[in-house]
Amino acid sequence: QSVLTQPPSVSAAPGQKVTVSCSGSSSNIGNNYVSWYQHLPGTAPKLLIYDNNQRPSGIPDRFSGSKSGPSASLGITGLQTGDEADYYCGTWDSILSAVVFGGGTKVTVL
Amino acid sequence: EVQLVESGGGLRQPGGSLRLSCAASGFSFNVYSMNWVRQAPGKGLEWLSFISGSSDTIYYADSVRDRFVISRDNDKNSLYLQMNSLRAEDTAVYYCARVRGTSLSAQYFDYWGQGTLVTVSS
Repeated sequence: QSVLTQPPSVSAAPGQKVTVSCSGSSSNIGNNYVSWYQHLPGTAPKLLIYDNNQRPSGIPDRFSGSKSGPSASLGITGLQTGDEADYYCGTWDSILSAVVFGGGTKVTVL
Repeated sequence: EVQLVESGGGLRQPGGSLRLSCAASGFSFNVYSMNWVRQAPGKGLEWLSFISGSSDTIYYADSVRDRFVISRDNDKNSLYLQMNSLRAEDTAVYYCARVRGTSLSAQYFDYWGQGTLVTVSS
């Protein structure tokens, strides 16, 4: 059972928007920065968002991040078939003294 | 170009040991903290261990503390994970990842390797 809670899956049609939620507590999301990763099995995970809402260079602005209290979310607009992947949130947990990830959310483009 | 290449994976029996390596290139390795992360079959990402650039700060996940040891050799631009007392549940793809961020609470992983597969089975 993951410290951070994500929905197992979300889906939408091409061109639509999906939101992936990530729920934690004051010891992790509530007082630390959140990052998001895209992962296709068998490949290296890819950083999408850091510091809650910052995009690394090369990441399109279709991807956005936000945080409110102990929860965070990743938004993907203009959904494309190439966006089909697993998405993970991650942050530091100050009580565990550990990095914690969500269980992952599979995004499916219908 | 930043590159991280893991090696050392393979098949081990329960109770055995294995040493993973991560060869880094394209950046000043000694400046960056590093992590190990794994993904078991059908499961999500699981963080395992953190080591600072100078090796003076190390953290472990509860699941591997007292069995795994993280280390680095900055002269060789290499990160290591010594895995002892292996269990079936340690079967996973193991990734090394470079840490960015101004503090532990703001850390994130900007580059990852392709991973190396470890299988623990009799």
